[in-house]
Amino acid sequence: NAGVTQTPKFRILKIGQSMTLQCTQDMNHNYMYWYRQDPGMGLKLIYYSVGAGITDKGEVPNGYNVSRSTTEDFPLRLELAAPSQTSVYFCASSPGNEQFFGPGTRLTVL
Amino acid sequence: DQQVKQNSPSLSVQEGRISILNCDYTNSMFDYFLWYKKYPAEGPTFLISISSIKDKNEDGRFTVFLNKSAKHLSLHIVPSQPGDSAVYFCAASLGVGSGSRLTFGEGTQLTVNP
Repeated sequence: NAGVTQTPKFRILKIGQSMTLQCTQDMNHNYMYWYRQDPGMGLKLIYYSVGAGITDKGEVPNGYNVSRSTTEDFPLRLELAAPSQTSVYFCASSPGNEQFFGPGTRLTVL
Repeated sequence: DQQVKQNSPSLSVQEGRISILNCDYTNSMFDYFLWYKKYPAEGPTFLISISSIKDKNEDGRFTVFLNKSAKHLSLHIVPSQPGDSAVYFCAASLGVGSGSRLTFGEGTQLTVNP
C-alpha cells in the first residue's frame, strides 16, 4: 500500500493564479480531510469528506474548494491564490478513528 | 477560540530520561484523544490514542494519561531516544469511530540529546 499520496511536493504560485492539489489514498477509507499548517501552528481543517459525493467545510474553508467523485481521490482547488494561502497542506484519510497523513505540499504564493 | 492547547512550544531532555508532553482542552464533549509525531518535511504519523472512558493507555515506551476533571492529557516517553526528536501534536475529537474531525494543538518540539 502506498497509503496517502500528495502531488505536487512543492509549488510557487503568483497572486491570482489557480491550482489543484492532488490527494489519493489506496486504503479504501471513507473519510478524507484537508489541513493546512502555518509556521508554529497546529493543523487547521479546511474541508473534509465522509464518502464519495459528500463534502463539508472545516474551520478555514474560505478560498478553497473540494470534490470527492471517488473513494480514492480528494483534490483541493485554490481558485485565486493569495499570499495568506502560503502554507503546508496535508491530506489525510481515516477508517474511523486514527487519521493517516500524506507527506504534504508546500505552497508559496508570491 | 483554541480548544486544544499545548503550552510548551519546546522541550529538551537527555537520552534515557523521561519526556513528558502536556496538552489541555476546553471542550468537555471531546471523548477521544490522539498524539501524533511529525518529522520535518513529512506528514504527521499516529502514535497513541485514548478514549475518555480510560485514564491511561500504554504502548511500549509511550503512555498517555487522561485527567478528565482537569481537561488535561499528557504523553510520557520512557526512556527517551534521540530518534524521538520531533514535533508532537495532541488532537481531540467528538465521537469515537465516526471519522470525526480532529482539533489539533499547536505542537511541542521535543529534542532528545545524546
